[in-house]
Amino acid sequence: AQRVTQPEKLLSVFKGAPVELKCNYSYSGSPELFWYVQYSRQRLQLLLRHISRESIKGFTADLNKGETSFHLKKPFAQEEDSAMYYCAVSFGNEKLTFGTGTRLTIIP
Amino acid sequence: NAGVTQTPKFQVLKTGQSMTLQCAQDMNHEYMSWYRQDPGMGLRLIHYSVGAGITDQGEVPNGYNVSRSTTEDFPLRLLSAAPSQTSVYFCASSYRDTSYEQYFGPGTRLTVT
Repeated sequence: AQRVTQPEKLLSVFKGAPVELKCNYSYSGSPELFWYVQYSRQRLQLLLRHISRESIKGFTADLNKGETSFHLKKPFAQEEDSAMYYCAVSFGNEKLTFGTGTRLTIIP
Repeated sequence: NAGVTQTPKFQVLKTGQSMTLQCAQDMNHEYMSWYRQDPGMGLRLIHYSVGAGITDQGEVPNGYNVSRSTTEDFPLRLLSAAPSQTSVYFCASSYRDTSYEQYFGPGTRLTVT
């Protein structure tokens, strides 16, 4: 079955420390992968996508096909990074499947 | 552009009542979808549409109907509300290309008593 797994529901990190939010998927093909973010009292919005290989707000995510993972990383956490983060995967079937989300809290 | 708009923002229903959640977008997006967001469950796809006149079921379609008579509008109908449908509902839209950058509405918080 095609699944998206975010193993951590909650993650707390001190300001200035590195951040890694995990995302794993189960799919034998070539998926399209995304990270979405929902800041407090704001709409869910796209943070980054793997095909563009870009860095947004200091975050990067690398697709590891061998481990079927797409972890989100940032070397130095900032307080404004506190938010809900969702990994999302398109398995080539016109649908976007979201993980259960990780709530990231940056401790000042 | 207003982007994706949803009405109402909040709604309380009694079990068995029906209602329609409205969603509209002004970006000429072909693709529109409805999700529900529940604690610990993430976002789950209810229904989606790849263009006017075309709809299909997502992961959790039971109890919901949709139609897509225009590119702009994609209403979600609850036929007979149940407490299990208490949730936050999000509408999203995107161009129908491989990027699937979805633009989300502000959400509707629905409580069924």
